[in-house]
Amino acid sequence: GQQLNQSPQSMFIQEGEDVSMNCTSSSIFNTWLWYKQDPGEGPVLLIALYKAGELTSNGRLTAQFGITRKDSFLNISASIPSDVGIYFCAGRPLGGGADGLTFGKGTHLIIQP
Amino acid sequence: DGGITQSPKYLFRKEGQNVTLSCEQNLNHDAMYWYRQDPGQGLRLIYYSQIVNDFQKGDIAEGYSVSREKKESFPLTVTSAQKNPTAFYLCASGRLWEQFFGPGTRLTVL
Repeated sequence: GQQLNQSPQSMFIQEGEDVSMNCTSSSIFNTWLWYKQDPGEGPVLLIALYKAGELTSNGRLTAQFGITRKDSFLNISASIPSDVGIYFCAGRPLGGGADGLTFGKGTHLIIQP
Repeated sequence: DGGITQSPKYLFRKEGQNVTLSCEQNLNHDAMYWYRQDPGQGLRLIYYSQIVNDFQKGDIAEGYSVSREKKESFPLTVTSAQKNPTAFYLCASGRLWEQFFGPGTRLTVL
């Protein structure tokens, strides 16, 4: 199946810092989604992207659909303690069927006091 | 409130037993999905259903079974044939381009 490479695997940052993470694929995707998962909970959809070059914000979060259609980026500005969690990218490849999304392995965001 | 519910939150099973995990949604979504999550791993698709009375195997369907008798419900049975069932199980529903997840069930085999 398709593989999504998500990086970095972990991030240790100070409160107030900006955060950047990305997701890449070897093939073209026509949808990119970003989720956040708190420990012991289900992932929550943060941002959905449907068009190459699209830039979408949700509060302090901004995500972009890469123009090559093989990558996506998520930025968090001015991080706060409740941003801690695992961030997953997910996507649907071009020509993909109805069998669900392909997920990255997640970026663990840890905020140091 | 609209959403997806899963029950129970925690489930313990003895080896050799079948267990059924519940998933209900009131979002009027046609599609429903079951994923398995292991530590340090992404989500892996077990089964999915696009319409009532129809479902398809995902990437890791061996040892699992599902039914889709109602649009709102998509229960997952973890059978004794599943070699390593201890994991976090997530149900989702959605449209083709988006999926929304329930809170998950953590299954532990004793």
